Amino acid sequence: NAGVMQNPRHLVRRRGQEARLRCSPVKGHSHVYWYRQLPEEGLKFMVYLQKENIIDESGMPKERFSAEFPKEGPSILRIQQVVRGDSAAYFCASSLGRGNEQFFGPGTRLTVL
Amino acid sequence: KQEVTQIPAALSVPEGENLVLNCSFTDSAIYNLQWFRQDPGKGLTSLLLIQSSQREQTSGRLNASLDKSSGRSTLYIAASQPGDSATYLCAVRQGGSYIPTFGRGTSLIVHP
Repeated sequence: NAGVMQNPRHLVRRRGQEARLRCSPVKGHSHVYWYRQLPEEGLKFMVYLQKENIIDESGMPKERFSAEFPKEGPSILRIQQVVRGDSAAYFCASSLGRGNEQFFGPGTRLTVL
Repeated sequence: KQEVTQIPAALSVPEGENLVLNCSFTDSAIYNLQWFRQDPGKGLTSLLLIQSSQREQTSGRLNASLDKSSGRSTLYIAASQPGDSATYLCAVRQGGSYIPTFGRGTSLIVHP
């Protein structure tokens, strides 16, 4: 019974490149959440998705960031034209339903050179 | 807007000590409070989840208490071990919200 899986675990990009982070939820979970953890900061909510729908993107930067959760396959967090300030750990969580407990993945650590 | 504060930010203790980590929150209308453990470079492991109607939860050497009226929770770790070394995060979920607010964590080192 696999938990939340994220890949890659570590990602290095140069400024201006694109970063794609993938998240496979717990089997049977259709709700996915993305969080960002900056150095010395707490986790900050970015976006909440249900299959094929964005439910809440209030924590997502308005530019360069997008997320999707297609009917088939993992959820993708995409960062275009990365800048050094995007360097952080990005965590994905999933839940069975909207109000249910969230289970967290191991995170993807993005470093922008 | 809910704010969650964890004190101390860092703690170093010798093995065997009993210790208390603190979490305070500004809005007492919470749905639940959860304590997580985060190891360096790793994800979050849920330790204890306390519903708003509960006063405490226990798991092994861990005990978490909740006092909604004062906006506080404590995580008590008995007989600490080097393997307890990690960052401990407190997360508070408001009633009607599905998104928890996290504190910045307490970084704990237990030395032999």
